Amino acid sequence: DADVTQTPRNRITKTGKRIMLECSQTKGHDRMYWYRQDPGLGLRLIYYSFDVKDINKGEISDGYSVSRQAQAKFSLSLESAIPNQTALYFCATSDPDITDEQFFGPGTRLTVL
Amino acid sequence: AQTVTQSQPEMSVQEAETVTLSCTYDTSESNYYLFWYKQPPSRQMILVIRQEAYKQQNATENRFSVNFQKAAKSFSLKISDSQLGDTAMYFCAFMKYYNTGNQFYFGTGTSLTVIP
Repeated sequence: DADVTQTPRNRITKTGKRIMLECSQTKGHDRMYWYRQDPGLGLRLIYYSFDVKDINKGEISDGYSVSRQAQAKFSLSLESAIPNQTALYFCATSDPDITDEQFFGPGTRLTVL
Repeated sequence: AQTVTQSQPEMSVQEAETVTLSCTYDTSESNYYLFWYKQPPSRQMILVIRQEAYKQQNATENRFSVNFQKAAKSFSLKISDSQLGDTAMYFCAFMKYYNTGNQFYFGTGTSLTVIP
């Protein structure tokens, strides 16, 4: 079973709709991240959380919100989706006490019409 | 702010040949980490290799090696004996520690195609 899972894997929605992307991990890591990937722009950090009580904005947080429901769960919400939020979204985890590596989920491809 | 630049949007290499992907970064920090991630068509992000800035020795992982030039802020990836399975997007990433934790910065990626 995958250590970092994301649901849904693909989603098509309409402008103005509220969307939630979910991320779960079984690695026991405290640190979790949400990125979006756009062609030619690489991965950009949206939000990150270093423990359940800690939420931080990343480079491109406008239009997004997050919730850290538990150590294992970190959700990303688009309150009112717009077409330029069409992208590939990745969740990641890390544990700097073991390694500095980030472990990524399989990604969610979101299309906003 | 940290920036990571990958100046080669696309590259190709013949199977069994060697290819080098370039990456430069900009930072005022002295202690940081550098990574290369691979993203095949499956879109899963996979760690290829990592380098600690305080280590002078270049990291190697089987057919993958890096040329880390700290003064020049350069971190290139060399893939030897290229295989069809190496076809993927490759991202260079920089990580630094803050008082509250760590943060990653990614380049825009290089799309590598291995030609049979």
